[in-house]
Amino acid sequence: AQTVTQSQPEMSVQEAETVTLSCTYDTSESDYYLFWYKQPPSRQMILVIRQEAYKQQNATENRFSVNFQKAAKSFSLKISDSQLGDAAMYFCAYRTSNAGGTSYGKLTFGQGTILTVHP
Amino acid sequence: DVKVTQSSRYLVKRTGEKVFLECVQDMDHENMFWYRQDPGLGLRLIYFSYDVKMKEKGDIPEGYSVSREKKERFSLILESASTNQTSMYLCASRTGPPYEQYFGPGTRLTVT
Repeated sequence: AQTVTQSQPEMSVQEAETVTLSCTYDTSESDYYLFWYKQPPSRQMILVIRQEAYKQQNATENRFSVNFQKAAKSFSLKISDSQLGDAAMYFCAYRTSNAGGTSYGKLTFGQGTILTVHP
Repeated sequence: DVKVTQSSRYLVKRTGEKVFLECVQDMDHENMFWYRQDPGLGLRLIYFSYDVKMKEKGDIPEGYSVSREKKERFSLILESASTNQTSMYLCASRTGPPYEQYFGPGTRLTVT
């Protein structure tokens, strides 16, 4: 079974600075997807960024980028130029590549990291 | 925009009560999910539905059941609520490829 571990329960960053959230995972599969989700206080969880394991290039979405190290099974999220609106719980998640039909490719989540942004 | 709504943001129930949590999505998605979120444990899958009246158990189905009579609506049922079911419950629906999940706002359930 796949597992996802986020070893940092809480992180903090000054506004405009850069912060990196860590995530490691364990799997025997070679093809899969990794995700970072953001859950702001009292608001809905949204997808921040997605990485496909067969792609060597690290995914980037504006100020958010990942460092995907497949051999090390590591998937960290870097937030550049942090903003007050980045304060949230961040979840790392894993999904097998086979997600259709009854082989539903569930998401396996890490424990979450609470990010605080100081003005 | 995909919209996933849940019937209540906060709910307080007594031990032994039957509890219904409802989730509605407006994007004609076939797949819907119920998760439970607890501090230090992340999100854990309770049940999954891949079509109307079709369901699969997730990782922690004990004490829960589900109903999906219509494509847009997926209900989570606690037959006899217990205090250890106090938690945040999140519903999600999923597109076809690339199988993105969209989450509802969550229901914080307290069982006393």
